[in-house]
Amino acid sequence: AQKVTQAQTEISVVEKEDVTLDCVYETRDTTYYLFWYKQPPSGELVFLIRRNSFDEQNEISGRYSWNFQKSTSSFNFTITASQVVDSAVYFCALSGEAYNQGGKLIFGQGTELSVKP
Amino acid sequence: DARVTQTPRHKVTEMGQEVTMRCQPILGHNTVFWYRQTMMQGLELLAYFRNRAPLDDSGMPKDRFSAEMPDATLATLKIQPSEPRDSAVYFCASGRDRQGHGYTFGSGTRLTVV
Repeated sequence: AQKVTQAQTEISVVEKEDVTLDCVYETRDTTYYLFWYKQPPSGELVFLIRRNSFDEQNEISGRYSWNFQKSTSSFNFTITASQVVDSAVYFCALSGEAYNQGGKLIFGQGTELSVKP
Repeated sequence: DARVTQTPRHKVTEMGQEVTMRCQPILGHNTVFWYRQTMMQGLELLAYFRNRAPLDDSGMPKDRFSAEMPDATLATLKIQPSEPRDSAVYFCASGRDRQGHGYTFGSGTRLTVV
């Protein structure tokens, strides 16, 4: 079975602090894909990143960075110098080998990030 | 930017009434998903289609829910009869095989059954 666990339900930081959102996954597939989505207060789900299981390179995009470690089945997300606009619920998701054939996404429960001025 | 369009954005209905939610996937996308979001259960997959054929609807209560794709530009999710426990936000998402990024989600339909 596939499962995504985001142990942090809520995180509160002060603006300009760095914050890391944890994601641990379970799958028996040898090929799989990991995602992060952002859900701001307006409610839409915004795609942030996709990684496949063969690419363990860390990725940086502006203030966002992702650390993928197969050895610990983790795909953590770090926001550097957080801003109030980063306040949102962040979801980690997993899709198995079927992703490239329209496979489904399994979501974690989400982490609600609150960045205070 | 191409968008997934969902209608209505909000729906309030009485228990027992039929509810139909509609989704227009992005042109050219051949995979369509329906997810339901609640505080208790988070994001749950209800059903999904590839090339208009249903692939998996095991997450959907079959006695009252039905999902269809009458054509490539329209996906529907119906609840009949609706119950208060169906109150949730229903998201539609679309994507394309072997695409380089994640699926695109619509803005959701917020359903309240009273």
